[in-house]
Amino acid sequence: GNSVTQMEGPVTLSEEAFLTINCTYTATGYPSLFWYVQYPGEGLQLLLKATKADDKGSNKGFEATYRKETTSFHLEKGSVQVSDSAVYFCALSDPGDDKIIFGKGTRLHILP
Amino acid sequence: SAVISQKPSRDICQRGTSLTIQCQVDSQVTMMFWYRQQPGQSLTLIATANQGSEATYESGFVIDKFPISRPNLTFSTLTVSNMSPEDSSIYLCSVARTSGGTYNEQFFGPGTRLTVL
Repeated sequence: GNSVTQMEGPVTLSEEAFLTINCTYTATGYPSLFWYVQYPGEGLQLLLKATKADDKGSNKGFEATYRKETTSFHLEKGSVQVSDSAVYFCALSDPGDDKIIFGKGTRLHILP
Repeated sequence: SAVISQKPSRDICQRGTSLTIQCQVDSQVTMMFWYRQQPGQSLTLIATANQGSEATYESGFVIDKFPISRPNLTFSTLTVSNMSPEDSSIYLCSVARTSGGTYNEQFFGPGTRLTVL
């Protein structure tokens, strides 16, 4: 079945550092891929998405590229801020299926 | 997008009691979902609730423990029955919207933080 694997946290970085959170997936078809973010005490918000191979999703300085050949969707940001501290979830959904499958989440701490 | 509210935002309950969580959406949606997020864990789908039909439960979840109502296109409830400390979690509802006909985007409520003593 479909699954999502993302790097375990917590990840602790200093402000302005470069961020990568790895995510790989297993899917039988051509899924849509997502990154969701959960700030402390809040619900999940969609951060970015990509619906086909080589698409690049971007938002708030974060980017992720849909790599079909490596079945990956790594999240990157060039210069993180303290306000980026949150839990980040990689997720996928198959076309025609309303369910979303989430990875386990990666907690990110940014130190000032 | 969709704006989703949940009630209560948090509760502390005694073992053996039940709690009903409400989810309200600001627009009509066909599908609503209920998730559980245990401490430090990812989201696990409990069930999918379509208006006018029985909810569809995922493996490991049963209607007797988590009865769901979906009386109209903007509202749903999830009841956590006969609670035990293992039910302590954040419960989230979400709705799906098709975007551009190519993918479904899910919008999440703020969650209900449940602690069972």
